[in-house]
Amino acid sequence: NFMLTQPHSVSESPGKTVTISCTRSSGSIASNYVQWYQLRPGSSPTTVIYEDKKRPSGVPDRFSGSIDRSSNSASLTISGLKTEDEAEYYCQSYDSGIPGIFGGGTKLTVL
Amino acid sequence: EVQLVQSGAEVKKPGESLKISCKGSGYTFHTYWIGWVRQKPGKGLEWMGIIYPGDSDTRYNSSFQGQVTISVDTSTNSAHLQWDSLKASDTAMYYCARTLYSSGWRFDYWGQGTLVTVSS
Repeated sequence: NFMLTQPHSVSESPGKTVTISCTRSSGSIASNYVQWYQLRPGSSPTTVIYEDKKRPSGVPDRFSGSIDRSSNSASLTISGLKTEDEAEYYCQSYDSGIPGIFGGGTKLTVL
Repeated sequence: EVQLVQSGAEVKKPGESLKISCKGSGYTFHTYWIGWVRQKPGKGLEWMGIIYPGDSDTRYNSSFQGQVTISVDTSTNSAHLQWDSLKASDTAMYYCARTLYSSGWRFDYWGQGTLVTVSS
């Protein structure tokens, strides 16, 4: 099975744009959908991106997802950062034997 | 409205048994997989396993195989996560989540979490 590697933390100022990467260790990132979850302290995770680049209803279009085959990575980009975006973000994909493979999570600080 | 409501926080001693629950409502319970996810204090999310209520097909992350049991009771629309003998290392928040096979095994609705504390 493969692993998904995320940066431990990122920080950016309000109003700016931040990108969080999720690199697949083996096999093509394009082979299996990638989802992104937001986890705020004291709350359950919520989906911000699914199937690589789709947004659930209610998620603002400041959130976008993409796949880069050259770096074998998925990315979550948040533009127009707000303090409410401060949270942990997890990518998730799957393999034939394991439906749920999570990245290690990225703590986003909006300062 | 789809809801997953989990049982309340638990404080247990090492060696004790425990069964926590996740009750689904607002959708046809037996037609969606239910997954369990662990978050230990200060750590990331870990996928534990999933169950399909329609036929009780169950799949475990190898790291959790033999350590926990996932089950379902369709008469109460509930999924369960069970330990026979808890360890201090089982201290964590546990989430259940509805899982969509057709959408990359993504979790679309989550329970509120059950905090399990194991301490002597």
